[in-house]
Amino acid sequence: KQEVTQIPAALSVPEGENLVLNCSFTDSAIYNLQWFRQDPGKGLTSLLLIQSSQREQTSGRLNASLDKSSGRSTLYIAASQPGDSATYLCAVDGWEAAGNKLTFGGGTRVLVKP
Amino acid sequence: DGGITQSPKYLFRKEGQNVTLSCEQNLNHDAMYWYRQDPGQGLRLIYYSQIVNDFQKGDIAEGYSVSREKKESFPLTVTSAQKNPTAFYLCASSIDHNGNQPQHFGDGTRLSIL
Repeated sequence: KQEVTQIPAALSVPEGENLVLNCSFTDSAIYNLQWFRQDPGKGLTSLLLIQSSQREQTSGRLNASLDKSSGRSTLYIAASQPGDSATYLCAVDGWEAAGNKLTFGGGTRVLVKP
Repeated sequence: DGGITQSPKYLFRKEGQNVTLSCEQNLNHDAMYWYRQDPGQGLRLIYYSQIVNDFQKGDIAEGYSVSREKKESFPLTVTSAQKNPTAFYLCASSIDHNGNQPQHFGDGTRLSIL
């Protein structure tokens, strides 16, 4: 059974510092890996989706890498801002007949201090 | 604007009562999903539907039921058989059930026991 882990559970950085968020998964047979942002009491917003054949995806200040063989993904957020404060979740889509079934990690709660 | 609407935002359940959470989308998406989120944890899949009149159990379906009579609607009933229903419930949709399609989320319903 796929298990997804995010360490650390919480992170606090001063504004302007780069953020590095880690995600690991136990079964490398994945279809894709997705990163989401969740603000308190809200739903999830999709940030990046990396297909299994890709090594990274970029959107603005965000860059996510994927190493399937080692079961790891890293989300980099450059030059952090207070507005980046949120919980970041990664999720993997396992290779099953019924696709788009996501297994989520527990999230990393990020606080960017002005 | 297109999106996913969940209602109500807050819901209270009495002992032995069934309650129904609403999820409506106007994105013309075929696939819809229900997740449960407990404090400080990631999301767990309850039920999903790939197409109208079809739905499948997720990882924690016991004590829950769903229907998918219309493409835009996927209501979730939390039955009295669910002994620990207090959680944040999130509905999502995607273009189809094939992989590599990001899921779009509603803003959630918080369910508590009276």
